[in-house]
Amino acid sequence: ETGVTQTPRHLVMGMTNKKSLKCEQHLGHNAMYWYKQSAKKPLELMFVYNFKEQTENNSVPSRFSPECPNSSHLFLHLHTLQPEDSALYLCASSQVMGPNTEAFFGQGTRLTVV
Amino acid sequence: AQTVTQSQPEMSVQEAETVTLSCTYDTSENNYYLFWYKQPPSRQMILVIRQEAYKQQNATENRFSVNFQKAAKSFSLKISDSQLGDTAMYFCAFMKHGEKTSYDKVIFGPGTSLSVIP
Repeated sequence: ETGVTQTPRHLVMGMTNKKSLKCEQHLGHNAMYWYKQSAKKPLELMFVYNFKEQTENNSVPSRFSPECPNSSHLFLHLHTLQPEDSALYLCASSQVMGPNTEAFFGQGTRLTVV
Repeated sequence: AQTVTQSQPEMSVQEAETVTLSCTYDTSENNYYLFWYKQPPSRQMILVIRQEAYKQQNATENRFSVNFQKAAKSFSLKISDSQLGDTAMYFCAFMKHGEKTSYDKVIFGPGTSLSVIP
C-alpha cells in the first residue's frame, strides 16, 4: 500500500451517465494529480492541484471536472464521456519539495465507457 | 519543457540474469529528481529507485541500481538477478525541484514492458 486510495477500482458507465472518481491520501502531501493511462500510451497528466488550488489543466475536455475540497481528497467528476475515455485513471500525490520527494500512486480506477 | 524518452518499448530477460533499461531526458533545470517506477500487471505503481541530480553517486536499492550520467542526460536502470516478480512496466520519470510556492509534477516516459522468463 502506498497510502493513496482510489475508489472505485472498476467502473462501467454509459455515455449519458454521471459518475465520480475519488482519491484520498493521508500522507500530508500538498500536491495531488490525476493521470490517464491508456493502453500502449504514456501516462497523460490531466490535472494538478497544489495546496488545493488547480495549477494545471492539460487541455482536458470539459466532460472531466476535477474537485479538490481539501488537501487530502481529490475527485474527478465524469459526465457524457466517450468510449475513447476508457482507460486507467491514476491519482497521485507528492510533497512540493523535500529530501524524500516522490509521487505516490493509487491503485487506479479502471473505467470502461459503453 | 521537460521530456523523458524510453527507447525500448519491450524487453525480456532470463530469470537470474541482468537487464538494463534505458532512459534519456531533456531539461534545462539543474536541480531535479529522477525516478524509476514499476507497475506490475493490475497492481499499484510503486517507486523502485530515486536519484537526486545534485548527487553524483549512483543510487542503489538491493538488486536495482542506476547509471546516472547528468551531462549526457541519461538515467538507466539495472536489475540484477532478475526475478519473476520483476515482470512489469517500468517508467522513468522526472520531477523538477520546485520552489516553496510552486508545484512539482512528475513527467513520465512512455514505459518499458519487461518480461522475466523462467
